[in-house]
Amino acid sequence: EVQLVESGGGLVQPGGSLRLSCAASEFTLSSYWMSWVRQAPGKGLEWVANIKQDGSEKYYVDSVKGRFTISRDNAKNSLYLQMNSLRAEDTALYYCARGGIRWSGDYWGQGTLVTVSS
Amino acid sequence: DIQMTQSPSTLSASVGDRVTITCRASQSISSWLAWYQQKPGKAPKLLIYQASSLESGVPSRFSGSGSGTEFTLTISSLQPGDFATYYCQQYDNYWTFGQGTKVEIK
Repeated sequence: EVQLVESGGGLVQPGGSLRLSCAASEFTLSSYWMSWVRQAPGKGLEWVANIKQDGSEKYYVDSVKGRFTISRDNAKNSLYLQMNSLRAEDTALYYCARGGIRWSGDYWGQGTLVTVSS
Repeated sequence: DIQMTQSPSTLSASVGDRVTITCRASQSISSWLAWYQQKPGKAPKLLIYQASSLESGVPSRFSGSGSGTEFTLTISSLQPGDFATYYCQQYDNYWTFGQGTKVEIK
């Protein structure tokens, strides 16, 4: 069964950094676009970033451009999100999902919570 | 950027009701449209992709239609487990989600 398991969330001060990881299993990561989506407490879904199968194309929502970096290591079956210069408004549950440009999110992890607060 | 507008934001219905949710894209996205169901504390679940294709394992009471800029999700006979929040999503150009429609018990 396809599984996506996120980790790396936690409490961080404004201006700080975190690196989220997503471990993929039971499918060949290198065959799929992958994405990060976040959901602030009590709010809707917000797309954060997409990355192509080989990492050659990356796209970001405007609010995180220049601060977040999506990456992947297909050999380690892992997806990452490096988050720098964190703000209070980045507080959310962060999901990784299989899918990207012209591919819907058919599998999602359970999410990892990021809280940005002093 | 493509904006997605869902309506209504909240819908009150009873078990057995036929329910329709509408999603409008700010520009044509062909059929690159998905619908998700999300229950409290859970990850989104894919219901419909390519505007009208039913994801494996999803009950046939769920259906999707539309193309271009206008799309609908229909639940033919609402069941107790269907009370949840539903999101549309375009995946033609990056991803964008609608604001969600909460289906609650009338």
